[in-house]
Amino acid sequence: EPEVTQTPSHQVTQMGQEVILRCVPISNHLYFYWYRQILGQKVEFLVSFYNNEISEKSEIFDDQFSVERPDGSNFTLKIRSTKLEDSAMYFCASSELTRVEQFFGPGTRLTVL
Amino acid sequence: EDQVTQSPEALRLQEGESSSLNCSYTVSGLRGLFWYRQDPGKGPEFLFTLYSAGEEKEKERLKATLTKKESFLHITAPKPEDSATYLCAVLRYGGSQGNLIFGKGTKLSVKP
Repeated sequence: EPEVTQTPSHQVTQMGQEVILRCVPISNHLYFYWYRQILGQKVEFLVSFYNNEISEKSEIFDDQFSVERPDGSNFTLKIRSTKLEDSAMYFCASSELTRVEQFFGPGTRLTVL
Repeated sequence: EDQVTQSPEALRLQEGESSSLNCSYTVSGLRGLFWYRQDPGKGPEFLFTLYSAGEEKEKERLKATLTKKESFLHITAPKPEDSATYLCAVLRYGGSQGNLIFGKGTKLSVKP
């Protein structure tokens, strides 16, 4: 069964460093998303992406964040200058063009020291 | 403001003891309500989509129902492998394809 994959599974970085989180969505899906979950809190929407541009973004997704589809399979989330409060699980998700169900990857645990 | 509230926060059941999880929602035009299962340290795993009041979906020991204000996830004769956090999320009309609004989840523990 096709699934969303994410790398790395765990990323440790120093405050102020740039990180890139990678995702490979399900192959026939055209909508892509990033969510985050701070330990013990709700899953929160960050951004949705379709047709090579951002469809919607939340207040969390400020100028420190960016997304890119660098090739036909990868979808990336970049955090330019990490802060302690960016420590969280980051989930990538994808969905088909005509369906609303989103399928999530296993997540990347980001730890900012 | 769109909101999703789940109760209880935690639920402990004995194997075979049926129960229900609640998801109350406030949204300006419901496009869909979703149930996910989340195991510790993992991503949410899709279970069901419900679109309109009165709709029901079933999968093995799980049954999801929807009214205009809330959804229930009924668990019949649960087994220890059903232990997980169950998340409810809503998608509203007017937004993009994907801004899911999640509740905090119900952590279910099933003891043998």
